[in-house]
Amino acid sequence: GNSVTQMEGPVTLSEEAFLTINCTYTATGYPSLFWYVQYPGEGLQLLLKATKADDKGSNKGFEATYRKETTSFHLEKGSVQVSDSAVYFCALSDSGGYNKLIFGAGTRLAVHP
Amino acid sequence: NAGVMQNPRHLVRRRGQEARLRCSPMKGHSHVYWYRQLPEEGLKFMVYLQKENIIDESGMPKERFSAEFPKEGPSILRIQQVVRGDSAAYFCASSPRGWTEAFFGQGTRLTVV
Repeated sequence: GNSVTQMEGPVTLSEEAFLTINCTYTATGYPSLFWYVQYPGEGLQLLLKATKADDKGSNKGFEATYRKETTSFHLEKGSVQVSDSAVYFCALSDSGGYNKLIFGAGTRLAVHP
Repeated sequence: NAGVMQNPRHLVRRRGQEARLRCSPMKGHSHVYWYRQLPEEGLKFMVYLQKENIIDESGMPKERFSAEFPKEGPSILRIQQVVRGDSAAYFCASSPRGWTEAFFGQGTRLTVV
């Protein structure tokens, strides 16, 4: 079945460092891909999405490109801030055309001043 | 426009008791999704409901768990005879239509003692 695999955390970075969080997926058909962020004690917020191959999603300085050839959707940011400390989840939409999402296990990011 | 409201935020139950988790979707949203997040894991889809209908309950455990979304009032996730393994964060999401972005609530953290 469909699945999402994320790099294990925690990822610890200094402020202004470059961030990459790897995400690969297994899916039949043409799923949409998402990155969600969960700040401490809060629910998930949609960070960015891409609905077809070669699409690039971007928001708040974060980017991810839908790579069908490598089945990947890696999250990147050029310069992280302390406020980016959170758990990041990669997800794909399962078949059915509705919000039945399959999530990766999440990657915790800690950014230090 | 208030976001997705879940209550209670924290719930403690003894083994064998019942847990009722409530989710009020965003105004104008008639589609509700429940997810469970076990410690250190990603979210797992449980059930998808529209007003008065269960559309997909493929992620619901076969016993003790039920969900409803009545014509009036919040969606309810009900867990009967809770066990320690039910301890998790339960997230609700809502959307105006099945294929549009879903917005997540802050979750209910259930602890079974």
